Amino acid sequence: AQKITQTQPGMFVQEKEAVTLDCTYDTSDPSYGLFWYKQPSSGEMIFLIYQGSYDQQNATEGRYSLNFQKARKSANLVISASQLGDSAMYFCAMRGLKVGNEKLTFGTGTRLTIIP
Amino acid sequence: GAGVSQSPRYKVAKRGQDVALRCDPISGHVSLFWYQQALGQGPEFLTYFQNEAQLDKSGLPSDRFFAERPEGSVSTLKIQRTQQEDSAVYLCASSSIQDVSYEQYFGPGTRLTVT
Repeated sequence: AQKITQTQPGMFVQEKEAVTLDCTYDTSDPSYGLFWYKQPSSGEMIFLIYQGSYDQQNATEGRYSLNFQKARKSANLVISASQLGDSAMYFCAMRGLKVGNEKLTFGTGTRLTIIP
Repeated sequence: GAGVSQSPRYKVAKRGQDVALRCDPISGHVSLFWYQQALGQGPEFLTYFQNEAQLDKSGLPSDRFFAERPEGSVSTLKIQRTQQEDSAVYLCASSSIQDVSYEQYFGPGTRLTVT
């Protein structure tokens, strides 16, 4: 079984500041993947970043980076230089990497609001 | 290129009616997933296909829920005798087994309201 915990229901951040969204996970799978998705008010789920449990380096994609601490079972998302367009719901998710075990388990999300 | 499409985008059903939700995955994507997202919650897994084979249906909440993908492309999620607790957004996602980031591409969802 897999579990994702996001403890920040909502966050308010000043434009241009960096923000860290927390995510902890639990799994019995020896290898797994961790994901962050963004869901604006329009409803679509937008993939942001992926980290494999076997990756030695933290994943980065433009202004997004994933602070992966395997021993702590945490996978926090860091957004640098926040923009007004970053206001949205953010979901952390995970899956096992065995074939046939591809379903994503999501957390409850964090609503991020960027203040001008 | 074309992304995942879903229809209808909005559906209002009276309690007890049957509904059918359609998903068109990205062409060539072998894996297809259905998720249910209640208001204010994260998506929850319903079922998963690899080509036409339904490999996991452990998330279907009751036997009123049924999904199929007969030719390995388009999928339909059917809900029989809808109940108010079925009101949610139903998300479809597809993925390629060749994608090293294991990304699932989501459709816009179907918002189902049961009155």
